[in-house]
Amino acid sequence: SAVISQKPSRDICQRGTSLTIQCQVDSQVTMMFWYRQQPGQSLTLIATANQGSEATYESGFVIDKFPISRPNLTFSTLTVSNMSPEDSSIYLCSVDGLVADTQYFGPGTRLTVL
Amino acid sequence: SQELEQSPQSLIVQEGKNLTINCTSSKTLYGLYWYKQKYGEGLIFLMMLQKGGEEKSHEKITAKLDEKKQQSSLHITASQPSHAGIYLCGAYGGGADGLTFGKGTHLIIQP
Repeated sequence: SAVISQKPSRDICQRGTSLTIQCQVDSQVTMMFWYRQQPGQSLTLIATANQGSEATYESGFVIDKFPISRPNLTFSTLTVSNMSPEDSSIYLCSVDGLVADTQYFGPGTRLTVL
Repeated sequence: SQELEQSPQSLIVQEGKNLTINCTSSKTLYGLYWYKQKYGEGLIFLMMLQKGGEEKSHEKITAKLDEKKQQSSLHITASQPSHAGIYLCGAYGGGADGLTFGKGTHLIIQP
């Protein structure tokens, strides 16, 4: 299985600021994904982070609000821009596992926007 | 887009009892994942089912896939306090290999 770490684990931010979340994997992976879990809700896919090309965003999510970088096969960042209280969520990255048909998740970043 | 409905939404079970959680898809299932989430934490991968009729086990947890019914069930035998948490089913949806998730089943184990 892949070991995934995220930084920061949690943060409290002011409205209007931006936060960059890092996702590090202990092995090279092709596909990395970013999800959002709003309070009391299930996970929603934000985007697929592709190495060497722009991220692919799901309906309702735009690059200006959630810019993503994927500089190599083990690392990705998600920025939450111009934050509002509605952005308070847990943000999780996930990767396709080295074993076929598995998808592993990082521990998540708990974001609170005041 | 694909939607996954989980039932029940919450479940309180006495320790030692068996329980079943269901996940029903609005569309054909090409792969169904089961995860467990401790409150406020990341997801722990339990198992993935792909073929109709497939059944997998992970310790005391067994999951089955009924392709015709577009449904999967997760069964826990002799439940323990360590089984408490949120169980989420996920399936390939509209995204590029990303998953669509159900709303989760909150499981509480009473001693």
